Amino acid sequence: AQTVTQSQPEMSVQEAETVTLSCTYDTSESDYYLFWYKQPPSRQMILVIRQEAYKQQNATENRFSVNFQKAAKSFSLKISDSQLGDAAMYFCAYYGNRDDKIIFGKGTRLHILP
Amino acid sequence: DAGVIQSPRHEVTEMGQEVTLRCKPISGHNSLFWYRQTMMRGLELLIYFNNNVPIDDSGMPEDRFSAKMPNASFSTLKIQPSEPRDSAVYFCASSPEGLLGYTFGSGTRLTVV
Repeated sequence: AQTVTQSQPEMSVQEAETVTLSCTYDTSESDYYLFWYKQPPSRQMILVIRQEAYKQQNATENRFSVNFQKAAKSFSLKISDSQLGDAAMYFCAYYGNRDDKIIFGKGTRLHILP
Repeated sequence: DAGVIQSPRHEVTEMGQEVTLRCKPISGHNSLFWYRQTMMRGLELLIYFNNNVPIDDSGMPEDRFSAKMPNASFSTLKIQPSEPRDSAVYFCASSPEGLLGYTFGSGTRLTVV
């Protein structure tokens, strides 16, 4: 079965600095999709960024970018110029056709230090 | 579009009572998902529907939990009887296609006392 592992339960970063959240996954599929979701204290789950496995180019959304290493099955999220509003739980997630449902990691809680 | 709409936002009930959580998915989304989130267990998929048909209910914890989707615009998750260990945030999400990601509702925080 596909699994998603986020090895950092919590992280902290100074405001305006850059932080990278790690995610690894296990799959035997060659075609799949990866996501990062943000859950701020309001508890709303928000899709931050999406990556298609067949695309070599790393996805970016403003200050958010990913480092997708398909061979290593690694999908890290980089947040540049961290802002107080970035404080949240971040979930890495995987979708493949075999399961036909998104599998979530356990999350990384990110603290932004003023 | 108003997004995925869940009600109520908060629910406090006594042990043994029936609880019904409601969800209206985004129009045109043919898949609907119910999740439970707790500190201990994280996000758990309880059940999901495709075109109103339950596809996978293996995450439903026990027979006290049931879910229905009578039409494309409405779903319920019912707990009867409720127990304190059911206290959690319950999310509904919908999607036109899994590879595009899910859109989540704002969740229902359930407290069973």
